[in-house]
Amino acid sequence: DTGVSQNPRHKITKRGQNVTFRCDPISEHNRLYWYRQTLGQGPEFLTYFQNEAQLEKSRLLSDRFSAERPKGSFSTLEIQRTEQGDSAMYLCASSLGPGSDKSLHFGNGTRLTVT
Amino acid sequence: SQQGEEDPQALSIQEGENATMNCSYKTSINNLQWYRQNSGRGLVHLILIRSNEREKHSGRLRVTLDTSKKSSSLLITASRAADTASYFCAPVPPGSARQLTFGSGTQLTVLP
Repeated sequence: DTGVSQNPRHKITKRGQNVTFRCDPISEHNRLYWYRQTLGQGPEFLTYFQNEAQLEKSRLLSDRFSAERPKGSFSTLEIQRTEQGDSAMYLCASSLGPGSDKSLHFGNGTRLTVT
Repeated sequence: SQQGEEDPQALSIQEGENATMNCSYKTSINNLQWYRQNSGRGLVHLILIRSNEREKHSGRLRVTLDTSKKSSSLLITASRAADTASYFCAPVPPGSARQLTFGSGTQLTVLP
């Protein structure tokens, strides 16, 4: 399977704990995006990488959130001191850039539940 | 970046009927993309229409674009229960090398 892979698929954690999600993009894609989606809403942009460089971060990405993409391959998204409001689906997408006519390829997400 | 607004928020039709959903946006675009999302899954790219195109077809999908009205529509013909999903549009501004921005989508339910 050469699609975008996200792990884990589900994560349940207690408030205050740290969590880390992983995304493996399509291998030749140099752009990688993180989105967050809550029930009934569309995905909200969090951050994006071109190769290993993090080029843009949303205001939604508080200082408790950090994303990395070492060596321009897989990426991790860490949430520290989780809060109940962090409960959401976290989606990763990749694209072959540059160019605004490139479509995004999404993974199936990691569903986070903070109790 | 700019966000599209999909309309209606929810649409329920019988299998075999056509489904039409609309997208409005506010500024000029380079292209507009439509995505589908099945429950609990990621988004899947359906079709991209460029600003100099007025209509595009892909299988049972037909997309139109009216840049003067800043709107697009997605028509699914002869719908099937498997078309039940949320549909999102993403208008892409000129020169944008950044992220796509999504609205709340249209939730389509196709009843067997």
